[in-house]
Amino acid sequence: DAGVIQSPRHEVTEMGQEVTLRCKPISGHDYLFWYRQTMMRGLELLIYFNNNVPIDDSGMPEDRFSAKMPNASFSTLKIQPSEPRDSAVYFCASSPQGRGQPQHFGDGTRLSIL
Amino acid sequence: EDQVTQSPEALRLQEGESSSLNCSYTVSGLRGLFWYRQDPGKGPEFLFTLYSAGEEKEKERLKATLTKKESFLHITAPKPEDSATYLCAAPPAGGTSYGKLTFGQGTILTVHP
Repeated sequence: DAGVIQSPRHEVTEMGQEVTLRCKPISGHDYLFWYRQTMMRGLELLIYFNNNVPIDDSGMPEDRFSAKMPNASFSTLKIQPSEPRDSAVYFCASSPQGRGQPQHFGDGTRLSIL
Repeated sequence: EDQVTQSPEALRLQEGESSSLNCSYTVSGLRGLFWYRQDPGKGPEFLFTLYSAGEEKEKERLKATLTKKESFLHITAPKPEDSATYLCAAPPAGGTSYGKLTFGQGTILTVHP
């Protein structure tokens, strides 16, 4: 079975540029999550969707970050303009509806902003 | 504020040397406690879900247990391939959504041959 697919795996860009991260969740999963992982702060939830609708975006650091889920099989996380402090590994995860259903993670996008 | 705290931050073991990792939480009305394993360059991989105090689950050399205030991940006779970062996580108190999780900082386990 195909897992959560993220692209690109690595992104290096200069400060001020727009960055778009992409995620394809597991088919049939109702929830989609975007996380950021750094050494200092660990794994932080940025935003999550239920049935393509954003439910909680309280973890989005600032207005430079935006996320969309136009359909059940695709989501994007956009940073515009990017800053060096945005450098991190960004993970997408998906899960089915229901008590105790685990989240399944992609292998992440390693983002470096120069 | 809901918190999930893991200890130790790092643990070095010799192959075959059993030990335990700890995850303590302050989420009231716990609605599940999750354990994940993360290898370098990979996303977290689900291991276990525990729901109630006294519950135990096992997978190969790993056994997870849950009390009212904390969870333990026991590793029996570990092998070098068990080296990874182990994360625990819990959903927030209240509400009906089980989707959102708060993760601990993780324990980096290194098993030497």
